[in-house]
Amino acid sequence: DGGITQSPKYLFRKEGQNVTLSCEQNLNHDAMYWYRQDPGQGLRLIYYSQIVNDFQKGDIAEGYSVSREKKESFPLTVTSAQKNPTAFYLCASSIRTVNTEAFFGQGTRLTVV
Amino acid sequence: AQSVAQPEDQVNVAEGNPLTVKCTYSVSGNPYLFWYVQYPNRGLQFLLKYITGDNLVKGSYGFEAEFNKSQTSFHLKKPSALVSDSALYFCAVRVGWEDNDMRFGAGTRLTVKP
Repeated sequence: DGGITQSPKYLFRKEGQNVTLSCEQNLNHDAMYWYRQDPGQGLRLIYYSQIVNDFQKGDIAEGYSVSREKKESFPLTVTSAQKNPTAFYLCASSIRTVNTEAFFGQGTRLTVV
Repeated sequence: AQSVAQPEDQVNVAEGNPLTVKCTYSVSGNPYLFWYVQYPNRGLQFLLKYITGDNLVKGSYGFEAEFNKSQTSFHLKKPSALVSDSALYFCAVRVGWEDNDMRFGAGTRLTVKP
């Protein structure tokens, strides 16, 4: 089945630790995105990538890092510099045309303990 | 910069009644507008989109949306609501690849009561 897979579904992090969220797609999409969702704030863009080995900062990139070494994979690392990392993280992918919709993974809920 | 606004945090309707979830947009070019639905602890699912042409767009699960350029709106509608339509709805806009992201509204929680 084609789709976009995020793992893990739930993640707990101790303060001061880095954690990496996985996002894999088999849709052959060039563009991939990471969003953060907080209650009442909608989705805010963290990073996006239009092509392998290239990525751009979104509105709230501070404290996060990404890589795009393969077309299928776009992992997000939440570093210790992110002061308020508890949130629901969504990965998405799309074809590289402006009039196409994005496909979303099921999300990872990160909690700092 | 492009943006969308969803003026209502919450919409309540009775089952069988028509529903409307509002969205307005602000862009500097021609907008490409999208509606998504999110169920609890899940990702977003695409419902419908406006690209060009007919202002009334039909989508999944009986939903439709009307693009109104003069009012810069793209309201989501359904003639007869179901309890199972209860979810969080997001409007989104995309303009072009210079500003590559898809901008989302804050979301509207729809509750359909039996």
